[in-house]
Amino acid sequence: AQSVAQPEDQVNVAEGNPLTVKCTYSVSGNPYLFWYVQYPNRGLQFLLKYITGDNLVKGSYGFEAEFNKSQTSFHLKKPSALVSDSALYFCAVRDRNDYKLSFGAGTTVTVRA
Amino acid sequence: KAGVTQTPRYLIKTRGQQVTLSCSPISGHRSVSWYQQTPGQGLQFLFEYFSETQRNKGNFPGRFSGRQFSNSRSEMNVSTLELGDSALYLCASSLAFKRDYNEQFFGPGTRLTVL
Repeated sequence: AQSVAQPEDQVNVAEGNPLTVKCTYSVSGNPYLFWYVQYPNRGLQFLLKYITGDNLVKGSYGFEAEFNKSQTSFHLKKPSALVSDSALYFCAVRDRNDYKLSFGAGTTVTVRA
Repeated sequence: KAGVTQTPRYLIKTRGQQVTLSCSPISGHRSVSWYQQTPGQGLQFLFEYFSETQRNKGNFPGRFSGRQFSNSRSEMNVSTLELGDSALYLCASSLAFKRDYNEQFFGPGTRLTVL
C-alpha cells in the first residue's frame, strides 16, 4: 500500500518570504514522487518529480523539492514566494512497481502582498 | 501540442441516471488515468488504461467503469448515479511504458452534479 501525508491544510506566507509545503510518504518499495499545483476551476499542473539521483530536484516557476529517504519526506520549497503562487498544492507518490498515483489531501497556500 | 481535453466540462444529472465522460489525451500519450476529486475525500484514483487494457483500479464500486480506444481516447461511465458521485472527474495522460516514471498531464476536469 502507498500513501501520502500533507500535515498542513493551510500555509500562509508574506510575499518575498520562503515557502515550504510539507509532504511525507509511505510505499513498500522505492518511490517516484511528484508535486502538482491546482488553481481554482483548473486541472492539476505538474511542478516537479523525483525519480532517482540528486536529492534536490528543481522544477517549474522556481520551485524545488528535497527528497529525504530516511525521513520519507519530499518537501516543496520556494526561496521567495509570489502572490501568484497562491493555490492548492498536492504531493503524490507512486511505487515503482505500480501504475497507481496516490495523492495527499492537499495544502492551500496563501501568499499575502 | 494540445493538452488533455475532457468533455463535457459540466454535467447535471439526477439520481439513478447514468453518465459517460470523455477524455482525449495528449497526442502520443498511451496511458490514461481517471481520478475523482471531492472536498471530503480529495483526489481518489479510479483506474488507469494503457493500450486499451486496464492496468490498475482503485477502490470504487462496479458502477464506475471505463475503457480506452485504439486511438488512446478514453471514456468513463457511471451507472445508477448517487448523490455522492457529485465531484470533479479528472483525466490525466502520460507517455507511460511499463514501469516508467513519466509525469501525468491533467485535463481541466468534468464537474458532475447529481441532483
